[in-house]
Amino acid sequence: SYVLTQPPSVSVAPGKTARITCGGNNIGSKSVHWYQQKPGQAPVLVIYYDSDRPSGIPERFSGSNSGNTATLTISRVEAGDEADYYCQVWDSSSDVFGTGTKVTVL
Amino acid sequence: EVQLVESGGGLVQPGGSLRLSCAASGFTFSSYWMHWVRQAPGKGLVWVSRINSDGSSTSYADSVKGRFTISRDNAKNTLYLQMNSLRAEDTAVYYCARGFGDSSPLGPWGQGTLVTVSS
Repeated sequence: SYVLTQPPSVSVAPGKTARITCGGNNIGSKSVHWYQQKPGQAPVLVIYYDSDRPSGIPERFSGSNSGNTATLTISRVEAGDEADYYCQVWDSSSDVFGTGTKVTVL
Repeated sequence: EVQLVESGGGLVQPGGSLRLSCAASGFTFSSYWMHWVRQAPGKGLVWVSRINSDGSSTSYADSVKGRFTISRDNAKNTLYLQMNSLRAEDTAVYYCARGFGDSSPLGPWGQGTLVTVSS
């Protein structure tokens, strides 16, 4: 089965840039979606189809996907961005989530 | 407003059964695929199952294949997950989420319902 690997944690100071990677075999050939999950809440879609942003999601959130790595970038990080982030792809009739990354704002 | 509300979770003994429901409102339910995703306590998201818009096609994670059955009633705007032969490792919050085809994103999500499998 397809495996998506994310770093367990990323720490970033307010106002700086956080980059969260999602590694998978030839992931650049797939569509990647990203979700934000705050404690006790359901996940929320923040990036879809690699780099599109749903309405209501700040422009500070952006995505890219190439080769074996997809990346979620959060610019000008705010305290409210502290959350778990998951990547997701579809592969061989199954949806697959990444291992998840906890973003801590210092 | 698009809304998904799960129900049916609870405590069940190993080997037991449970049926989860997801009531949808605020959109044309019969036009969308639907998914179940679970999250064990303190763990990450795991995709469980999905069903296409008219219920003619389903897909399951290997870990639940043969034990869980996804279904929908478009007249009642409701998604179901029948869970049989439950195991301790099925303990999780179960979310329903809206999709619209293979490779599509999931959203919005319901608030989740907790299933605990324990003796």
